[in-house]
Amino acid sequence: DAMVIQNPRYQVTQFGKPVTLSCSQTLNHNVMYWYQQKSSQAPKLLFHYYDKDFNNEADTPDNFQSRRPNTSFCFLDIRSPGLGDAAMYLCATSSRGGSGGYTFGSGTRLTVV
Amino acid sequence: AQTVTQSQPEMSVQEAETVTLSCTYDTSESNYYLFWYKQPPSRQMILVIRQEAYKQQNATENRFSVNFQKAAKSFSLKISDSQLGDTAMYFCAFMMGGSEKLVFGKGTKLTVNP
Repeated sequence: DAMVIQNPRYQVTQFGKPVTLSCSQTLNHNVMYWYQQKSSQAPKLLFHYYDKDFNNEADTPDNFQSRRPNTSFCFLDIRSPGLGDAAMYLCATSSRGGSGGYTFGSGTRLTVV
Repeated sequence: AQTVTQSQPEMSVQEAETVTLSCTYDTSESNYYLFWYKQPPSRQMILVIRQEAYKQQNATENRFSVNFQKAAKSFSLKISDSQLGDTAMYFCAFMMGGSEKLVFGKGTKLTVNP
């Protein structure tokens, strides 16, 4: 089945130690997104790629970076994780326009110790 | 900026009964899309139903239907014949036409009791 896969499901990292979360898709969708979801809060868009074009949200901290080496893969890099970065990170994809809705991965729950 | 408000943080319903989840949104745009997503515990978020703003007819998907009131900027989700598997967080979301970006509400935690 075509899908969006996030690895790992759970990630524990040390305060200040760089960490990378990965997302892959078999849907051949043009657009890939990264959302941050904290407990009892709405998922918040960090950035998205439209093909190779990177679109950063204005309020996304510089601590967060992303890479999309090809259509199938997208990575979220957190350069120096703080305690406030502990959250569920959701990867999603959509075809051009996105009005048909997103397909989400299962998420990566990040714990910072 | 568009905002989405879900005023019910938690709700519960008995199995086989009907429940309605509320959602309001704020936009000055005329071309947009509205969505309900379901996020079961520890599982991925899935699309339940979508509505195109220019369509007057309310969307329906099996037991799930919406009441779309464009003038009131209201987009409620009705779940009929609730099942235990409907237990989940439900997120209402808004997308401006051509923007590709979803704006989510804070979610409503729905529990279906046996």
